[in-house]
Amino acid sequence: QVQLKESGPGLVQPSQTLSLTCTVSGFSLTSYNVHWVRQPTGKGLEWMGVIWTGGSTDYNSALKSRLSISRDTSKSQVFLKMNSLQTEDIATYYCARSGSPGYYFDYWGQGVMVTVSS
Amino acid sequence: DIQMTQSPASLSASLGETVTIECLASEDIYDILAWYQQKPGKSPQLLIYDASSLHTGVPSRFSGSGSGTQYSLKINSLQPEDFASYYCQNGLSALWTFGGGTKLELK
Repeated sequence: QVQLKESGPGLVQPSQTLSLTCTVSGFSLTSYNVHWVRQPTGKGLEWMGVIWTGGSTDYNSALKSRLSISRDTSKSQVFLKMNSLQTEDIATYYCARSGSPGYYFDYWGQGVMVTVSS
Repeated sequence: DIQMTQSPASLSASLGETVTIECLASEDIYDILAWYQQKPGKSPQLLIYDASSLHTGVPSRFSGSGSGTQYSLKINSLQPEDFASYYCQNGLSALWTFGGGTKLELK
């Protein structure tokens, strides 16, 4: 059974770093790509970045300078780190998988809400 | 980056009606287009990929069409569970972008 589950602190102070973990089961990170997508409350979806099956990454150009995605295949975990958080980063953060090759997201995590506040 | 312009932003319809949502890409995306449904408080769910292929388990009242830069999602005979938000997404050249979304509401 394919599952993705995001975890991490729900509250981050302004200018600090957000660290989230996506723990997957039912598939291998070396066979499927994992993406991060975020959604401000009441707004649309924004693709953030991807870690490919081979371990390389690509990022949304608007976030590239602040964003890092990595993984631990032995633990089936993908990590997101984004620095210099501001109020505009308040959103629900999702991880989702796509096939290799493939571009569409056939499974998503439940999402984790992140607030930025002191 | 490829821009995806989705219309309308909101749509009001009755049970049993047929509705169409449009998605316009800023350049040819060669059918590299997916549609998702999202209900409040839930994660998006894949409906259609490759512009017109129905994802496993998705009811046949959903259909996708289009080519080049213009694509559409059609929902026939609206059911209560269809009232949700819908997003198009392109994945050409590993630059994923979403449309702004369409909120489908019950009239």
